[in-house]
Amino acid sequence: NAGVTQTPKFQVLKTGQSMTLQCAQDMNHEYMSWYRQDPGMGLRLIHYSVGAGITDQGEVPNGYNVSRSTTEDFPLRLLSAAPSQTSVYFCASSYGQGGQETQYFGPGTRLLVL
Amino acid sequence: SQQGEEDPQALSIQEGENATMNCSYKTSINNLQWYRQNSGRGLVHLILIRSNEREKHSGRLRVTLDTSKKSSSLLITASRAADTASYFCATGPKGGGNKLTFGTGTQLKVEL
Repeated sequence: NAGVTQTPKFQVLKTGQSMTLQCAQDMNHEYMSWYRQDPGMGLRLIHYSVGAGITDQGEVPNGYNVSRSTTEDFPLRLLSAAPSQTSVYFCASSYGQGGQETQYFGPGTRLLVL
Repeated sequence: SQQGEEDPQALSIQEGENATMNCSYKTSINNLQWYRQNSGRGLVHLILIRSNEREKHSGRLRVTLDTSKKSSSLLITASRAADTASYFCATGPKGGGNKLTFGTGTQLKVEL
């Protein structure tokens, strides 16, 4: 059981470039989410999904797109990277549709936008 | 905006001592959770306490919840160097949708 996996671990982008952060889980969890973590800000919710084909916006969705075609995968797309998107990104999943239940986090992706 | 605010922001203690950190929140909640984050790693769930519970234990961890004061505390007894980490509270607000709101965390350092 790998749990929640994220790739890449670290990425450097130039302003305006696009990229996709990958997230996968093998626990058959319905709920998946993306957070960003910035110093002194805690974790802020970007987007979440309660099941395949269903996504919704969190607290800070601007500049990010998501889709959920399978239960296992929940990629996060940056269409045109900006320096303000420099952050550590965490994917999480939860049993059922419980966004307020125990969250299982991936190891994170560190993104630097120059 | 942050729902939960941890206090203190940083705490340094000696191994064997107890560590207490607090979380205050603003609106009614369904539950409150505590997570640990070691440096450079993802968050790990520690304990979940529901709004109708007042106290919960897990190993060396004790969590209390006072919904009248909108606050929670996490007590780590007989701390070890391996407990050095950041600790976050997360609340599931009533009527707040299907999501958690995280606080800004307490950095705990346990020295030998």
